[in-house]
Amino acid sequence: QSVLTQPPSASGTPGQRVTISCSGSSSNIGSNTVNWYQQLPGTAPKLLIYSNNQRPSGVPDRFSGSKSGASASLAISGLQSEDEADYYCAAWDDSLNGDYVFGTGTKVTVL
Amino acid sequence: EVQLVESGGGLVQPGRSLRLSCTASGFTFGDYAMSWVRQAPGKGLEWVGFIRSKAYGGTTEYAASVKGRFTISRDDSKSIAYLQMNSLKTEDTAVYYCTRVGSTWASYYFDCWGQGTLVTVSS
Repeated sequence: QSVLTQPPSASGTPGQRVTISCSGSSSNIGSNTVNWYQQLPGTAPKLLIYSNNQRPSGVPDRFSGSKSGASASLAISGLQSEDEADYYCAAWDDSLNGDYVFGTGTKVTVL
Repeated sequence: EVQLVESGGGLVQPGRSLRLSCTASGFTFGDYAMSWVRQAPGKGLEWVGFIRSKAYGGTTEYAASVKGRFTISRDDSKSIAYLQMNSLKTEDTAVYYCTRVGSTWASYYFDCWGQGTLVTVSS
C-alpha cells in the first residue's frame, strides 16, 4: 500500500498544461527529494525528474517538477500525444524500514 | 549505451525458489548501487530492495514485504546483479525490473531500467 497519494487520472488536449500532484508526509517527501518516473504503455518505467526538479539528459523541458513541504507536483506543458502514459512520484521514507516508496500512479490521457 | 537485461523469470509454485539475474553493460558496474523494483499485473510500482556498491560495503536493504525471503547479491567481475527469491507467494507475481541507482549529493534515484522479467507464482 503506497504512502504517496496521486490522482488516478489526468487529461488534457494537445498543447495544454497538465499538473499531477503527489502527497506524502514528513518522513518521505517532507525530508527527502522527490523523483518522477514515466511509464509508456507496455514499456519499462523511465526516470523523468530527479532531485525534485532536475531533468536527466534527453528529457524535454516541457516536464518540470516542484516540491513544497510534504507535497510535490509534476507539470507537463505543451502536452503531446506521446506523453500519454502512467506517471509515478517516488521518495525515500525515513520511517522504521527506510523503504523507497512510489506514488499510486497517475494515468495521463491526451484527448 | 547503458543497458540492463533481466533473465530468469517464469512460472513457479508457491513456496519454491527462483533466482533472477540482471546483466549490465555500458557502464562501470562496480561503481553503482543496484536495485530491484516490481510491478504486479495492472498495478503500480513497488520497490523490492537494493545493494550498495563495494565501495559502500556492498550491503543490502529490503522492503518489509520481502525481507527474510529475498536476497540481492552482485558479481562485479561479471557485471551481474541477482535477486534470489525464496518461499515465494502468489502475491509475488509481478514483472521484476532491475535498475541502476544514480545519485547526487542529496538524492538517490533509479536512472536506468531493464525491460523486466515476469515471475508468476501459481500452483
